This record gives sequence, C-alpha cells and structure tokens, in this order.
Amino acid sequence: TQLLEQSPQFLSIQEGENLTVYCNSSSVFSSLQWYRQEPGEGPVLLVTVVTGGEVKKLKRLTFQFGDARKDSSLHITAAQPGDTGLYLCAVESNDMRFGAGTRLTVKP
Amino acid sequence: EAQVTQNPRYLITVTGKKLTVTCSQNMNHEYMSWYRQDPGLGLRQIYYSMNVEVTDKGDVPEGYKVSRKEKRNFPLILESPSPNQTSLYFCASSLNRGTYNSPLHFGNGTRLTVT
Repeated sequence: TQLLEQSPQFLSIQEGENLTVYCNSSSVFSSLQWYRQEPGEGPVLLVTVVTGGEVKKLKRLTFQFGDARKDSSLHITAAQPGDTGLYLCAVESNDMRFGAGTRLTVKP
Repeated sequence: EAQVTQNPRYLITVTGKKLTVTCSQNMNHEYMSWYRQDPGLGLRQIYYSMNVEVTDKGDVPEGYKVSRKEKRNFPLILESPSPNQTSLYFCASSLNRGTYNSPLHFGNGTRLTVT
C-alpha cells in the first residue's frame, strides 16, 4: 500500500477545461509538496503547503491542503498544453516520500 | 546556473557488467539522494546521504552502492546489474534533508536498460 494515493492516474483533457487531481493518505503530515515533471526532465517543486486548510495559488493552479492535513488537491483552471506533465505529491515521512503521480495531457 | 547534473542520460548494458551513474551538484547542498522511477510506483528512494562520508539505505537499496567522498558528488554504482534494475533514475539534492523549507532539486534523469 502506497503512503500517498494519487488520482486519477491518467487524465486527458482539451485546452481550456478545468481539472482537479487529488493526493490522499490515511496519515497526518506536517507539510505536503507538489512537483511537476515534464517529459525528459526531473520533477520541479511547484508549492509547499503547511497549514491545514491552506490554499495557495500559482497563476492558474490552486493547491489546497486538507483541514486534517491528510490530503491535498490541485485544481487547474483553463488548462493549457504547457500544463502537460506528471504531477507528484510528496510528504516528509522520515524522508521525502512521493505518490505515483497523475499524468496530465492537455490537447490543443 | 544552479543545477544537479547526471551522466549518462541513457545507458544500455548487459546483465552483470558493472556500471556507475554520476551525479554532481553545484549548490553546496549537504543532502543528496538517489531515486528510481517505475510506472505506477512513483519515485522510490534507493540511498541518501546527509553529508560527506555519511550514507544510508532508502526503501530499495538492494543491488546498489553509493559513495560520498566529496560534497558535490554522489555516484550510484551497480556492481552486477540485472534486468529488474531497468528503470529511470534520478539524483536529487537539497540544502539539508528534504523538508518543506529545503525542497529537493532533481537532475534530468538517467534511463537505464539492462538486457
């Protein structure tokens, strides 16, 4: 059983659509990070959320940390082809642990 | 430019032939780590190093070795590669242990195929 369950595993949408991806766990964490990995590259940090219920915005991306600090969501508004990539959530649990990711494809 | 550099980017080898994947960072980071990425399994940690001459096993260390003789370099060694080590490997570093105030910086990956 994975520490972090990400859903959906795959998502393919048209440019301009909105979407939400999820990162869930039964454990409580002090913080949670979201990374984006583009094809042929390593993951790059997007945001860190620390406080339960916290909402952070990064242009068209909205990140929320669950009130109980067990889960998080990433909402993208008006997706663009440049948003295509693998979205990974990660938590500090002895060391950094990653979910398996959501692979997003945005078609023009 | 601050970066983590891995070499080679692609490597095809045969079972049992020793190989080394190099990793170097120019950010004076204390913490370095190796991950492997497999479909459906995400990033799994192989080994990590908190500082020079200090290394520890991650979740999947079997079949791998590392060394940290200098702060900037953290090579991954496969003494006798096997096909189940075919994977995409990432080196990462951070100022100290990857935490919310010290995020990981990743290299661009090494795709290894063992036949």
